[in-house]
Amino acid sequence: GNSVTQMEGPVTLSEEAFLTINCTYTATGYPSLFWYVQYPGEGLQLLLKATKADDKGSNKGFEATYRKETTSFHLEKGSVQVSDSAVYFCALIFGNEKLTFGTGTRLTIIP
Amino acid sequence: NAGVTQTPKFQVLKTGQSMTLQCAQDMNHNSMYWYRQDPGMGLRLIYYSASEGTTDKGEVPNGYNVSRLNKREFSLRLESAAPSQTSVYFCASSEAGHTDTQYFGPGTRLTVL
Repeated sequence: GNSVTQMEGPVTLSEEAFLTINCTYTATGYPSLFWYVQYPGEGLQLLLKATKADDKGSNKGFEATYRKETTSFHLEKGSVQVSDSAVYFCALIFGNEKLTFGTGTRLTIIP
Repeated sequence: NAGVTQTPKFQVLKTGQSMTLQCAQDMNHNSMYWYRQDPGMGLRLIYYSASEGTTDKGEVPNGYNVSRLNKREFSLRLESAAPSQTSVYFCASSEAGHTDTQYFGPGTRLTVL
């Protein structure tokens, strides 16, 4: 079946550091890929998505590129802020099947 | 624009008690979902409703029932709560089906003693 493997956390960085959160997937065919973010005490929000190979999703300074060759969708940001502290979930959907989530990565940014 | 709202925010139950979690959306979405979030396991789909009048089981439906009361509202019922149902429950909605962007409510934190 379809699955998503995410970098285990927690991840702690200093403000203005470079961020990478790794995500790889297993799917039959070519899924659509997503990053969701969950801020403290809130529900999940869609951060960015990519629907086909080589697409780059971007939002709020975050980027992720759909890499078919490596079945990856790593999340990156050049300079993180304290307000980026949250839990980040990688997810995929294929065909008409359910949204499949990774286990989440907790990110804490220290001033 | 409230989006997806859930009540209650917190609940403590004793084993064997029943309760209903309420969810409503004001985006005129056709599809609605119930997930549970457990540490180290991401979100798992309990039940979903593709459209008003239909409901289907997700990955972990045992111990739960749902009702799609109308297009706006989708409730989740625990008939006889068990400690294994201690979790954070999220409701979500999308315009039409799994492939559309899902919008999540703020969650209900449930503890079963």
